[in-house]
Amino acid sequence: DAKTTQPPSMDCAEGRAANLPCNHSTISGNEYVYWYRQIHSQGPQYIIHGLKNNETNEMASLIITEDRKSSTLILPHATLRDTAVYYCIVRPYNDYKLSFGAGTTVTVRA
Amino acid sequence: DAGVIQSPRHEVTEMGQEVTLRCKPISGHDYLFWYRQTMMRGLELLIYFNNNVPIDDSGMPEDRFSAKMPNASFSTLKIQPSEPRDSAVYFCASSLIRVADTQYFGPGTRLTVL
Repeated sequence: DAKTTQPPSMDCAEGRAANLPCNHSTISGNEYVYWYRQIHSQGPQYIIHGLKNNETNEMASLIITEDRKSSTLILPHATLRDTAVYYCIVRPYNDYKLSFGAGTTVTVRA
Repeated sequence: DAGVIQSPRHEVTEMGQEVTLRCKPISGHDYLFWYRQTMMRGLELLIYFNNNVPIDDSGMPEDRFSAKMPNASFSTLKIQPSEPRDSAVYFCASSLIRVADTQYFGPGTRLTVL
């Protein structure tokens, strides 16, 4: 019962922007979009989250479409250290559950 | 500001032995979560605590697994007796005040049961 759909893998050139898509066509009005990543042999790391407005922090930007059925995580200047599995998660605002799917394996190449 | 601390980072044990994994959440965080990650099943939530009280343990696989949180700065996940299928990476995470606040994960404990 996957709530999100992500491509299994993508490559990105070092120094370029990485745009990671996520489809969540069944998202409800009270559900946020969260992004985490997991670098090899490390715990998942929170990146960013949003409800309907675009969000930006020191790590990334999150662009959510007006109908909220899809979103894009943007890593503005990818580095080799950004190589990781990126998870897009839809989660109600009052729910503790983080349901991690398969994510997108992003490989940043020099 | 230290993040979530887990110990040991690696544990190798033999089937039937008791295993205890430890976690120190971020200071001031009211919620603590235990997850397990395997190749087959991905990341699964096992149990979570609020203010040291277990709230939902529906993800605990069986009675061999138990978790405690004797105080706000320490939690344990115990497996007794351990089995080879328990081999996985176990993560602890904590979040601040609301149950839906951002969860911050520790580095994990890689458990191998021979």
